[in-house]
Amino acid sequence: SAVISQKPSRDICQRGTSLTIQCQVDSQVTMMFWYRQQPGQSLTLIATANQGSEATYESGFVIDKFPISRPNLTFSTLTVSNMSPEDSSIYLCSVGHFYEQYFGPGTRLTVT
Amino acid sequence: DQQVKQNSPSLSVQEGRISILNCDYTNSMFDYFLWYKKYPAEGPTFLISISSIKDKNEDGRFTVFLNKSAKHLSLHIVPSQPGDSAVYFCAASGRNYGGSQGNLIFGKGTKLSVKP
Repeated sequence: SAVISQKPSRDICQRGTSLTIQCQVDSQVTMMFWYRQQPGQSLTLIATANQGSEATYESGFVIDKFPISRPNLTFSTLTVSNMSPEDSSIYLCSVGHFYEQYFGPGTRLTVT
Repeated sequence: DQQVKQNSPSLSVQEGRISILNCDYTNSMFDYFLWYKKYPAEGPTFLISISSIKDKNEDGRFTVFLNKSAKHLSLHIVPSQPGDSAVYFCAASGRNYGGSQGNLIFGKGTKLSVKP
């Protein structure tokens, strides 16, 4: 398994602003994933981030809203842009594969 | 439409007894199923998985059973301990499932309470 850390652990932001979430892994990994868990809902994949290529976004998520960087094999960032209260969620990064995946502790975002 | 369903939002069990958490899915393209445990303010912790070519996988106190014809899986915890109290998520994925190969489709979770 991998040890994954995220920063910040939580934040309260005003609508219209942007927040960048960092994800750090203790080993080199090929694929990193970003998920969102809205209140009372299940986890939903936002995008897959591969080093050296553009992130691949799932249906319903766009790069302008959730730009992702993957500068190396141990680090990725997710930005939540032009936030609205509907973006209040827990954002989680994960590493692994479709048969085994490990998650970071999450970033709890509240937009007021 | 939810492709992975956990119909029981909560379950209460006495310490030492068996906990059975259930999960149903609709998409026959799924060929891997995973269970996660989540404590408050922490990320999901991987527990156990099963491939669709198997009908049972066991790891210590945790056993997952898969019934492909019924599109149903269950997680058994024996014996249950108070430290098992957490939210349990069922997730499904597939090598040939559309979209990203890392896309885990999650249920909404079942909150397990194990009482001393």
